Amino acid sequence: GDSVTQMEGPVTLSEEAFLTINCTYTATGYPSLFWYVQYPGEGLQLLLKATKADDKGSNKGFEATYRKETTSFHLEKGSVQVSDSAVYFCALNTRRDDKIIFGKGTRLHILP
Amino acid sequence: NAGVTQTPKFQVLKTGQSMTLQCAQDMNHEYMSWYRQDPGMGLRLIHYSVGAGITDQGEVPNGYNVSRSTTEDFPLRLLSAAPSQTSVYFCASSYSTGGGYGYTFGSGTRLTVV
Repeated sequence: GDSVTQMEGPVTLSEEAFLTINCTYTATGYPSLFWYVQYPGEGLQLLLKATKADDKGSNKGFEATYRKETTSFHLEKGSVQVSDSAVYFCALNTRRDDKIIFGKGTRLHILP
Repeated sequence: NAGVTQTPKFQVLKTGQSMTLQCAQDMNHEYMSWYRQDPGMGLRLIHYSVGAGITDQGEVPNGYNVSRSTTEDFPLRLLSAAPSQTSVYFCASSYSTGGGYGYTFGSGTRLTVV
């Protein structure tokens, strides 16, 4: 069935380090792909999305490229800040219905 | 523009009690859903609705009921609370366009069943 697999955390980095959080998916057809972020005590917020192969989603310095050949949507940021500490969820929508399938989340800690 | 509003933010129940978690959105979204979030489990879909009068079960529906009498509201009812229902509950909504826009989430209800 359709699924999302993302790297387990927690991921701990120093401020200004380069960030990569890996995400791969299994789905038929051409799903829409998303990254959501959850700050402590809050709900999830849509961070970025891509709807077709080779699209690059970007927001707040974060980027992710829809790679159909490797079924991946890795999240990257060139220089992380303490304020980026949060849980990050990779997700997909198969386009067959409105349901979004989430990965289990990756907790990110940024040390000053 | 309130988005998705969930009430209450925190609740403690005794085993066997019932309660309703409220969810309201003001964006005229057709699709609404309820998730529970547990450590190490990610988000699991409880129930969802594609429009007023239409509801369906998700991955973990047992012990929960929903109804959708209006486009704006999608309450979640716990019939007889159990400790296994201790969790954080999120309501989410979206335009009914195959999910391409992504969801808007509420801020969550933290429920403890003792």
